[in-house]
Amino acid sequence: GDSVTQMEGPVTLSEEAFLTINCTYTATGYPSLFWYVQYPGEGLQLLLKATKADDKGSNKGFEATYRKETTSFHLEKGSVQVSDSAVYFCALSNSGGGADGLTFGKGTHLIIQP
Amino acid sequence: ETGVTQTPRHLVMGMTNKKSLKCEQHLGHNAMYWYKQSAKKPLELMFVYNFKEQTENNSVPSRFSPECPNSSHLFLHLHTLQPEDSALYLCASSQARAGELFFGEGSRLTVL
Repeated sequence: GDSVTQMEGPVTLSEEAFLTINCTYTATGYPSLFWYVQYPGEGLQLLLKATKADDKGSNKGFEATYRKETTSFHLEKGSVQVSDSAVYFCALSNSGGGADGLTFGKGTHLIIQP
Repeated sequence: ETGVTQTPRHLVMGMTNKKSLKCEQHLGHNAMYWYKQSAKKPLELMFVYNFKEQTENNSVPSRFSPECPNSSHLFLHLHTLQPEDSALYLCASSQARAGELFFGEGSRLTVL
């Protein structure tokens, strides 16, 4: 079945550092890929998405590129802020595989120190 | 009014109690979902409803009973739960069965 693998963390960085959170996936067909963010005490919010190979999703300074050749969707940000501290989830949807909903990775806890 | 609303936000119950979680979406979506979020584990998809019909039940124990009376409302009825059922239960909705999900803030359940 479909699966998503991401670094678990916690990842601790200083403010203004460069961020990369790795995500790779296994899926049949042509899934759509997502990054969600969960701030403390809240539900998950969509951060960005990409629906086909070579698409780049971007939002709030974060970006990720759908790489089919490496089955990856790594999240990057050039300069992180304390307010970026949260848990980040990589996910895929695969209607071509007959599945409902999204398949999520385990989440990466990001801690940004001032 | 937020897109997906869950009540209650926090619930403490004994193993012999019966309680229900409620979810309401104001987005006009056709599909609704229950996910379970436990510490150190991936989000687990529990149930999916599409146009009020259950389309997925991921081997969830019968002590969890979903109900979807219409496309805007989803319930999760709980009875004789176990302490390991303590978790954050997240409701979500989407326009299409495999599209972007919109989540509520979750119901934090503690089973004593």
